Amino acid sequence: GQQLNQSPQSMFIQEGEDVSMNCTSSSIFNTWLWYKQDPGEGPVLLIALYKAGELTSNGRLTAQFGITRKDSFLNISASIPSDVGIYFCAGFTSGTYKYIFGTGTRLKVLA
Amino acid sequence: NAGVTQTPKFQVLKTGQSMTLQCAQDMNHNSMYWYRQDPGMGLRLIYYSASEGTTDKGEVPNGYNVSRLNKREFSLRLESAAPSQTSVYFCASSTEWGNEQFFGPGTRLTVL
Repeated sequence: GQQLNQSPQSMFIQEGEDVSMNCTSSSIFNTWLWYKQDPGEGPVLLIALYKAGELTSNGRLTAQFGITRKDSFLNISASIPSDVGIYFCAGFTSGTYKYIFGTGTRLKVLA
Repeated sequence: NAGVTQTPKFQVLKTGQSMTLQCAQDMNHNSMYWYRQDPGMGLRLIYYSASEGTTDKGEVPNGYNVSRLNKREFSLRLESAAPSQTSVYFCASSTEWGNEQFFGPGTRLTVL
């Protein structure tokens, strides 16, 4: 099925460092969602974006809806060990019925 | 609010057996979805229900059926389980298409 390109696929970082990841698509989206999934759990919604250029924060997390509407970015500041997990993006286009999901970024934080 | 709940959490079936995965949401959402998640494949949509009384096929509907029992509940049925249906199944809901989508904790299904 159709998927978004999400990068990086995985990353190791030191505790306290900032993290950046992004999703890109060949299609225009009206909605971008960012999720975190812990092992054995369901994805948990972190941030929702509905407008091109929108910048939204949730604690140490900040996400942006790209101006072209074909990309989105997630930043995590001052990472901590509990940030470990897989981060997914998802995009939605009006007039369709489905959310398109990224392949995930696996984050590992070294204490 | 419990959000989206799923039962069972784990299940092992033999090939050919049938079972129903249950999903309920208490957020008064109109739309509900069933996904499967496989390593390296990401989340793939099986079926969705845009609103109570309607259901439609997603990307990978073969071998599955669904029922939107009421606004809260959306079940997924495997009539004759196959090893290829070994996966983690997630139910999700949203107020409308394109809005925030919330996931349940998942059902881990193994078909032997």
